[in-house]
Amino acid sequence: DAGVTQSPTHLIKTRGQQVTLRCSPKSGHDTVSWYQQALGQGPQFIFQYYEEEERQRGNFPDRFSGHQFPNYSSELNVNALLLGDSALYLCASSLMGPGTEAFFGQGTRLTVV
Amino acid sequence: AQKITQTQPGMFVQEKEAVTLDCTYDTSDPSYGLFWYKQPSSGEMIFLIYQGSYDQQNATEGRYSLNFQKARKSANLVISASQLGDSAMYFCAMRAENSGGSNYKLTFGKGTLLTVNP
Repeated sequence: DAGVTQSPTHLIKTRGQQVTLRCSPKSGHDTVSWYQQALGQGPQFIFQYYEEEERQRGNFPDRFSGHQFPNYSSELNVNALLLGDSALYLCASSLMGPGTEAFFGQGTRLTVV
Repeated sequence: AQKITQTQPGMFVQEKEAVTLDCTYDTSDPSYGLFWYKQPSSGEMIFLIYQGSYDQQNATEGRYSLNFQKARKSANLVISASQLGDSAMYFCAMRAENSGGSNYKLTFGKGTLLTVNP
């Protein structure tokens, strides 16, 4: 049973460019959340997708957008990259509902130069 | 709003000994879940243990147990018989869980860096 998979694992982009990160949830999971983790910090919630809709959003600008596909996989898009967007981006999947565990992928390390 | 506090930036433990990592939380949500994750230097966030706020028993998963004291709003992680491979960053997290079936974002603490010495 495959866990949460993210691609790519590492990425280098230039300031002002756009980037797309991808996530496949754990088999059977229907909810995907994205987190940004700056160096030395805990992860910060970006947004959550369920039934192909954004259900909740953290304190991130509109440059951060996402999508969930019918097979529950998800993409995170970041436009007009800033140096401060350099971070580890983590995807978490779970089942919608209380008492369910949330599992993370290995993350995508984004460097903006 | 939810808040997680981990007051130990770093902890050291001898191999084979037990260690407790502290976590306190604050929330106004009547129903919530508490999590512990391990993050090695590779970056992957590894799920360790989950405790629901209405669970009567403390959660256990192998060498991990969660010491849940609801009145004190604490959810400490106990690792028994530490191993060298336990050296990593450990994060405590929580989320609201309502009876309607929605669950919400995870709010994380700043983490505790555990070092296991041989």
